[in-house]
Amino acid sequence: NAGVTQTPKFRVLKTGQSMTLLCAQDMNHEYMYWYRQDPGMGLRLIHYSVGEGTTAKGEVPDGYNVSRLKKQNFLLGLESAAPSQTSVYFCASSGDLQPQHFGDGTRLSIL
Amino acid sequence: AQSVTQLDSQVPVFEEAPVELRCNYSSSVSVYLFWYVQYPNQGLQLLLKYLSGSTLVESINGFEAEFNKSQTSFHLRKPSVHISDTAEYFCAAPNTNAGKSTFGDGTTLTVKP
Repeated sequence: NAGVTQTPKFRVLKTGQSMTLLCAQDMNHEYMYWYRQDPGMGLRLIHYSVGEGTTAKGEVPDGYNVSRLKKQNFLLGLESAAPSQTSVYFCASSGDLQPQHFGDGTRLSIL
Repeated sequence: AQSVTQLDSQVPVFEEAPVELRCNYSSSVSVYLFWYVQYPNQGLQLLLKYLSGSTLVESINGFEAEFNKSQTSFHLRKPSVHISDTAEYFCAAPNTNAGKSTFGDGTTLTVKP
């Protein structure tokens, strides 16, 4: 049982480049989330989804887009990367009112 | 507004000493409460959860937390910590009818030899 898998684990981008982070879960969870974690800032919710085909904005959505075309996958896109988006990105999934299961994170550096 | 407040950002403690990490929640959040642990360079893992029933919940590695409705608290305790308990700990509550959770800002526990 793989749980939540994030791809890639590390990435270095140049300012202005685009990329997509992939999250896959095999627990049939309805809810999926993307967070960023920066030193001293805790976890901040970027976007989330309450089911296949749905997405919603979290507290820091600017500069990111997401899609949930399949229940098991949740994609996070950066259209034009900026140095301020250097961070560790975590994906998570859960059932309703249940604990979230987290991936191991993607460490993204933007130069 | 829904909120989860962790009262200490950093807790240094010596090995084998007891520790308490404090978490208060607003009464508007659900009564489901969780503690997560994050070891260096890893994602968050569920440590323990309160859903209903007994107000004292325990983890497999010796941590326990008590749900206290009158004090709106869910403090995490361990009677004797180990070096390996060094990590960041997050208190969280799922938001009813919103599909997301409210997390505290985290408490860094550092266990010193």
